[in-house]
Amino acid sequence: DAGVIQSPRHEVTEMGQEVTLRCKPISGHNSLFWYRQTMMRGLELLIYFNNNVPIDDSGMPEDRFSAKMPNASFSTLKIQPSEPRDSAVYFCASSPIQGMNTEAFFGQGTRLTVV
Amino acid sequence: AQSVTQLDSHVSVSEGTPVLLRCNYSSSYSPSLFWYVQHPNKGLQLLLKYTSAATLVKGINGFEAEFKKSETSFHLTKPSAHMSDAAEYFCVVSENNQGGKLIFGQGTELSVKP
Repeated sequence: DAGVIQSPRHEVTEMGQEVTLRCKPISGHNSLFWYRQTMMRGLELLIYFNNNVPIDDSGMPEDRFSAKMPNASFSTLKIQPSEPRDSAVYFCASSPIQGMNTEAFFGQGTRLTVV
Repeated sequence: AQSVTQLDSHVSVSEGTPVLLRCNYSSSYSPSLFWYVQHPNKGLQLLLKYTSAATLVKGINGFEAEFKKSETSFHLTKPSAHMSDAAEYFCVVSENNQGGKLIFGQGTELSVKP
């Protein structure tokens, strides 16, 4: 398996523009997580899905952020409109649910810069 | 509520000397605990995990960690540091009734001097 695949790897956009980050989880994994990493706040869990259903979105910073998982092999994180303070590395991770004692497998991340 | 505290934001060691990265956790239920490593401009890689089996867990690259319930600790150790160990290390907790939700510590940056 190729692992968790995120695209794009880098994104530079102007303030006010819409940004869409994409993630393909590992085939067969039931859980999917979106994290944001910044120097100030470290790694923050934004939202996670089990079986394509959002379970906990309490980490989503505000209404400008939205995430979807239309099927088991694809998820998006959208920011609209984007702001400079959204600049960060966004990680997607997936995990098999069985036993719930399993680790998450991370993608390489998307480095977002909002200017 | 579950949480994890990494006691040192930065640790510096000399090559060939032991490494100790400290982590304390708080959990209402039986937790699973993990250590991840992140090299500069890279994603996160699992080093090791504890899931209520043996309390001493061995991971990749010579790292190990010991789960101590009485101290609510899960410290990461390595007998002899290598230059390639320089990276950011994250202690992570997952409660087994939370469907795999992972909560990360703030990270410890490990520097290795020649």
